Amino acid sequence: DTGVSQDPRHKITKRGQNVTFRCDPISEHNRLYWYRQTLGQGPEFLTYFQNEAQLEKSRLLSDRFSAERPKGSFSTLEIQRTEQGDSAMYLCASSLHGGGRGVEQYFGPGTRLTVT
Amino acid sequence: DAKTTQPNSMESNEEEPVHLPCNHSTISGTDYIHWYRQLPSQGPEYVIHGLTSNVNNRMASLAIAEDRKSSTLILHRATLRDAAVYYCILMYNNNDMRFGAGTRLTVKP
Repeated sequence: DTGVSQDPRHKITKRGQNVTFRCDPISEHNRLYWYRQTLGQGPEFLTYFQNEAQLEKSRLLSDRFSAERPKGSFSTLEIQRTEQGDSAMYLCASSLHGGGRGVEQYFGPGTRLTVT
Repeated sequence: DAKTTQPNSMESNEEEPVHLPCNHSTISGTDYIHWYRQLPSQGPEYVIHGLTSNVNNRMASLAIAEDRKSSTLILHRATLRDAAVYYCILMYNNNDMRFGAGTRLTVKP
């Protein structure tokens, strides 16, 4: 257990429905990241927050995806009008960033989304 | 983006050392080299990172070439629990990480 939790762990939804995932980072961590991982591939970066500010979004993050981190604590990732291609593991990670050095990210267990 | 190249898979015998190579010929001067591993059905787990000098921690050692164009993750005595996918990543702009496909390590008893 890394201290990063994600909810739910599994989600099955029908195409066209909206889904929302939650990530609770390690409490003192100021950065929070979202990644997506499909079978047999490494995680793909989606977006990250420093405190409550969303600082970068990948081109993979289409208009149907939105992420928030109100008050710089937990974060939510919403997917609207889900498509079968959205089926993947959605991973959250957090880190304590500062000082310009490379820092380790702590990953949660992921939310596995299946779109039928 | 600076990219890394790793073998798709490697095998090792239990209790023997394992050397996992990574090439990153386009690395920039400020890129950190990170290694993560992912056990089945789990999120990635940090292993080690470095910039220029070799690094050791309780999990592994990281050997970085003098020109920084390659690095090697060393597991000194592989156990069955070390079977995982190992990712070599360059910390891009000190922000997000760009994962490749990694090396799947199989440890034989």
